[in-house]
Amino acid sequence: KQEVTQIPAALSVPEGENLVLNCSFTDSAIYNLQWFRQDPGKGLTSLLLIQSSQREQTSGRLNASLDKSSGRSTLYIAASQPGDSATYLCAADTSGTYKYIFGTGTRLKVLA
Amino acid sequence: GAVVSQHPSWVICKSGTSVKIECRSLDFQATTMFWYRQFPKQSLMLMATSNEGSKATYEQGVEKDKFLINHASLTLSTLTVTSAHPEDSSFYICRWTGLIAKRPPGNTEAFFGQGTRLTVV
Repeated sequence: KQEVTQIPAALSVPEGENLVLNCSFTDSAIYNLQWFRQDPGKGLTSLLLIQSSQREQTSGRLNASLDKSSGRSTLYIAASQPGDSATYLCAADTSGTYKYIFGTGTRLKVLA
Repeated sequence: GAVVSQHPSWVICKSGTSVKIECRSLDFQATTMFWYRQFPKQSLMLMATSNEGSKATYEQGVEKDKFLINHASLTLSTLTVTSAHPEDSSFYICRWTGLIAKRPPGNTEAFFGQGTRLTVV
């Protein structure tokens, strides 16, 4: 059974700092992995989607990498801003139907 | 604008009553719905998968008689929490997949509902 964990569970950094969020999954047979952002009491905002054949994806200040063999993905946020404060979730698709198994989340707070 | 409409966005109900949550696709058709719930400070947990015209498949530990899913069309799925209790208080999110017509613009976030905050008192 696929299990997805995220480290750290919470993170507080000063504005401008570069940071890395980690995601681990136990079953390397994934079709894709996606990173989401969730603001308090809100739904999900998709950040980056990495297909199993890809190594990384970039969007603006965000860069996500995928290493299937080691069961890891990282989300790199450059020059963090207070507006980046949110919970970040990674989710693995092991069925090819976007039936995601979500990670435990990292609550990020960027201090002004 | 949003391509998935989930309603209501929040609801407070008395213990023992039932609550229906609707999830509509506004400008596309899709076959499959995933229903998730999220308890405070926890991640999203898949509750059930439903396909249009078929019975839903529930994840282990989710009571099918308590969480009734009706997926009668390619644009509407409903989740009814029956005889709700305080422990059912949670954030419920729907997600469409299995797109078959009129792909919406944007990325896959477009397929998630905005979520329903259920509080049972």
